[in-house]
Amino acid sequence: GAVVSQHPSWVICKSGTSVKIECRSLDFQATTMFWYRQFPKQSLMLMATSNEGSKATYEQGVEKDKFLINHASLTLSTLTVTSAHPEDSSFYICSGTSGDQETQYFGPGTRLLVL
Amino acid sequence: GQNIDQPTEMTATEGAIVQINCTYQTSGFNGLFWYQQHAGEAPTFLSYNVLDGLEEKGRFSSFLSRSKGYSYLLLKELQMKDSASYLCAVSGSARQLTFGSGTQLTVLP
Repeated sequence: GAVVSQHPSWVICKSGTSVKIECRSLDFQATTMFWYRQFPKQSLMLMATSNEGSKATYEQGVEKDKFLINHASLTLSTLTVTSAHPEDSSFYICSGTSGDQETQYFGPGTRLLVL
Repeated sequence: GQNIDQPTEMTATEGAIVQINCTYQTSGFNGLFWYQQHAGEAPTFLSYNVLDGLEEKGRFSSFLSRSKGYSYLLLKELQMKDSASYLCAVSGSARQLTFGSGTQLTVLP
């Protein structure tokens, strides 16, 4: 299957700071990338969908000014958590899909802890 | 919107067969996925069904009935490493995935 990487794999930051998470498709061109969040013992919740070169589409309840998504190329999408607070601590996972393919391939996830 | 139901927990014995069911109600349907997720890791793709019927891939099989809004994942010859959470996810009209809450499978020796 296709490979997606994320960086960093984990991050600890102070409340009020911003954190950027990178998602890269290593062996395919990800025309669409998705960002999910997963709290402990819960399932994945879609935050936003981004198509290369377009603005991201955010799910209801997700603040677009707080979670900035950039999908500037076919292999890279970034999620920036601005002014992070402890309640933003979670497991953030990206996925990518290419062309008409339906299967999403997931990155290894980034664990964020906001103190 | 999407509503997806699957059992919270299941337990089975090594070498046995287990079936994990998933029912869904959807306003748009582009297929159903099963993913495996070990604790602290991202999901890994297991199967994709868009047409009715059974898809077999090694020890894992997945079944879909679109008219009934029903799918199951069948795991044969269970191994200890199969202990994980199994996520049923429905792909909507914009290819966004809506996940069920996951079924935590524990395989006992």
